[in-house]
Amino acid sequence: QTVVTQEPSFSVSPGGTVTLTCGLSSGSVSTSYYPSWYQQTPGQAPRTLIYNTNSRSSGVPDRFSGSILGNKAALTITGAQADDECDYYCVLYMGSGIWVFGGGTKLTVL
Amino acid sequence: EVQLVESGGGLVQPGGSLRLSCAASGFTFSSYTMNWVRQAPGKGLEWVSFISSGSSTIYHADSVKGRFTISRDNAKNSLYLQMNSLRDEDTAVYYCARVVRPYYFDYWGQGTLVTVSS
Repeated sequence: QTVVTQEPSFSVSPGGTVTLTCGLSSGSVSTSYYPSWYQQTPGQAPRTLIYNTNSRSSGVPDRFSGSILGNKAALTITGAQADDECDYYCVLYMGSGIWVFGGGTKLTVL
Repeated sequence: EVQLVESGGGLVQPGGSLRLSCAASGFTFSSYTMNWVRQAPGKGLEWVSFISSGSSTIYHADSVKGRFTISRDNAKNSLYLQMNSLRDEDTAVYYCARVVRPYYFDYWGQGTLVTVSS
């Protein structure tokens, strides 16, 4: 069974930079998994941030960027703001119409 | 403007059935692959089901295989999820989501809550 791993929680200071990662329980994440990232505030539907590893969705500020770092996908937030405090999910496309989400990272800005 | 509006959620007893609907507007529904994604209370997102634009290809997560069936009616711009033999662990907010290449969810509905409890 494929497990996608994310840090359960992370903390960043206002104005700081943070990198969240998205890995596989076995193996490496590559662009072939088309990693995408979603932001979710409590009670709201997810919002698409990054797709195809490093493409920003429409309207997403360039403070958000995606990449592959080592054997993981990564979401970097620069100049963190208070309203960046929420949950972040990555998802990997496994092929054949199947996706696997990571467990999510709860980001605190303080 | 793309809109996805889910409905049909509610309280159901274990072993019961429920049918969710997702009404799509603002785009050519028949041209897009659609999915259901769920989120249990306080938990993360879980992909549930996939259906191709013409319904020729369907996939379900192992956790719901044999119990849930995804379908669509392109003439009605609607997506459905028939849920049978419901279990406590199926309690979640169910989102419909549009998929575009390269393989990501670009639009999401607001979700409908399904509660399985006696």
